[in-house]
Amino acid sequence: GDSVTQMEGPVTLSEEAFLTINCTYTATGYPSLFWYVQYPGEGLQLLLKATKADDKGSNKGFEATYRKETTSFHLEKGSVQVSDSAVYFCALSDPSGGYNKLIFGAGTRLAVHP
Amino acid sequence: GAGVSQSPSNKVTEKGKDVELRCDPISGHTALYWYRQSLGQGLEFLIYFQGNSAPDKSGLPSDRFSAERTGGSVSTLTIQRTQQEDSAVYLCASSLKLAGSEQYFGPGTRLTVT
Repeated sequence: GDSVTQMEGPVTLSEEAFLTINCTYTATGYPSLFWYVQYPGEGLQLLLKATKADDKGSNKGFEATYRKETTSFHLEKGSVQVSDSAVYFCALSDPSGGYNKLIFGAGTRLAVHP
Repeated sequence: GAGVSQSPSNKVTEKGKDVELRCDPISGHTALYWYRQSLGQGLEFLIYFQGNSAPDKSGLPSDRFSAERTGGSVSTLTIQRTQQEDSAVYLCASSLKLAGSEQYFGPGTRLTVT
């Protein structure tokens, strides 16, 4: 079945460092790919998405490119801030079944220190 | 406008008791989803509704779990004879339509079974 694998955390960085969180997926169809973020004490929020190969999703300085050849959707940010500390979830949905069931990775906790 | 709301925000119950968790989706959203976030299993899809219908219940962990949706709006997730392994955060999401639209998540209900 479909699955998502993302790098284990926690990831600890200093402010202004470069961030990469790796995400790879397995899917039988043509999924859409997402990054969700969960800030401390808050609910899941969509950070960015890409719906087809070579699409780049971007938001709040974060970006990820849908790479079909490597089945990857790595999250990057050039300069992280303390406020980016959160848990990041990579997810896919395969609408070929007629609905957007989201399949999530295990989540990666990011801690950014001043 | 108002987002997805869930109640209660926290629920502590004794093993063997029944619990009901409520979700109020965004007005006008036809699709509604339940997920569970637990330490051991990560984020798992449980069930979805299109209108008041739940075509696929295969994500529910056991027959102690049931869900309904009335009036195309509010949904209730019921867990009968709760067990300690049911302890988790139960998340509800809604989307404008079943496929191809973003899911908006509620803050979740944290269930603790003692």
